[in-house]
Amino acid sequence: DQQVKQNSPSLSVQEGRISILNCDYTNSMFDYFLWYKKYPAEGPTFLISISSIKDKNEDGRFTVFLNKSAKHLSLHIVPSQPGDSAVYFCAFQGEGTNAGKSTFGDGTTLTVKP
Amino acid sequence: NAGVTQTPKFQVLKTGQSMTLQCAQDMNHNSMYWYRQDPGMGLRLIYYSASEGTTDKGEVPNGYNVSRLNKREFSLRLESAAPSQTSVYFCASSPLQGRNSPLHFGNGTRLTVT
Repeated sequence: DQQVKQNSPSLSVQEGRISILNCDYTNSMFDYFLWYKKYPAEGPTFLISISSIKDKNEDGRFTVFLNKSAKHLSLHIVPSQPGDSAVYFCAFQGEGTNAGKSTFGDGTTLTVKP
Repeated sequence: NAGVTQTPKFQVLKTGQSMTLQCAQDMNHNSMYWYRQDPGMGLRLIYYSASEGTTDKGEVPNGYNVSRLNKREFSLRLESAAPSQTSVYFCASSPLQGRNSPLHFGNGTRLTVT
């Protein structure tokens, strides 16, 4: 049973517009929520995170929103740039005995067209 | 400032052969991880080491063994490779286990088992 779902395998947006990537989860024990970005032939790199006690975190063009009641996480990129074209993974960390076990979604491939 | 270094970058094995994937980090991180990524899927945790001297199973440990050689190095061994182990393997490290401690990934080892 998949605990983390990114229901859109791909997303295409025009340069300058907003990109919205979504993630749903089922495990209420998740404590931290992260987004990673991955270019081809490279490892994922950390982008932005949010704690379960917050509902929004901003870092420049990137904003992550958390809706705990809906178990929904989203990443907004404004404005989108061609260099943002990559695969985006949401990931979740628990605490305690589950602290070492980050759980990843299957990824969404974002294409930003010039 | 190398970060996380994985060797080799590519490997082709025949069924039944063995090999060890090497990983080293120079960031003085306590925790290290091995993930695999199959096409169209997210990263799945194979094994992790919360600190030097400890290792624990992740989601998909069968067919693998690990060694935390010292604080810097964490190796993954396939004793008898199978075609189902064809994948991209990523090593990662983090300062702490969990606690909103993002993972730092290497660039991966692409393994094909024929």
